[in-house]
Amino acid sequence: DAGVTQSPTHLIKTRGQQVTLRCSPKSGHDTVSWYQQALGQGPQFIFQYYEEEERQRGNFPDRFSGHQFPNYSSELNVNALLLGDSALYLCASSLAASGYYEQYFGPGTRLTVT
Amino acid sequence: TQLLEQSPQFLSIQEGENLTVYCNSSSVFSSLQWYRQEPGEGPVLLVTVVTGGEVKKLKRLTFQFGDARKDSSLHITAAQPGDTGLYLCAGEETSGSRLTFGEGTQLTVNP
Repeated sequence: DAGVTQSPTHLIKTRGQQVTLRCSPKSGHDTVSWYQQALGQGPQFIFQYYEEEERQRGNFPDRFSGHQFPNYSSELNVNALLLGDSALYLCASSLAASGYYEQYFGPGTRLTVT
Repeated sequence: TQLLEQSPQFLSIQEGENLTVYCNSSSVFSSLQWYRQEPGEGPVLLVTVVTGGEVKKLKRLTFQFGDARKDSSLHITAAQPGDTGLYLCAGEETSGSRLTFGEGTQLTVNP
């Protein structure tokens, strides 16, 4: 049973650039959520995708956008990167019909903006 | 957005000691989840509590959800060095589907 996978593992970008992060959910899951985790802090909710649509969004600017594909995989795009965007980006998957949202996390993508 | 306060932020104890981590909010959550995270990895789900007053045990770990579903605690008995890690509580908001995380408790168990 494949767990949540994310790519790439690490990424270094320059201020102003754009980045795309990818996530494949756990087998059988249909909902993907993205989180940003700064060093020493708990994850912060960015947004959630279900049935290829953004269902909920946290307090993040429009520079953060996403997409979910028919196979439930998802992408997170960040435009006009800032130094403050440096963080661990976590993808979590869940099953909408489960009644409550137990989320299973991938290993994350460590983004460094210089 | 509902907020979760987690305490203590840091905890360093000796092997064999007991400890409790607290997670508190003024808001009601539909469910509350506890995760453990190792450096450079994603959080790993330990348990989900759903019913007010619910108590769940996972070997030496005991999780409790407050009667009003606003707070939770994690108690570890006879801590071992392998318990070292970042413990995170996360509440599922009543509006549905999104998780609000606490800031985490960094636990170090010294041999």
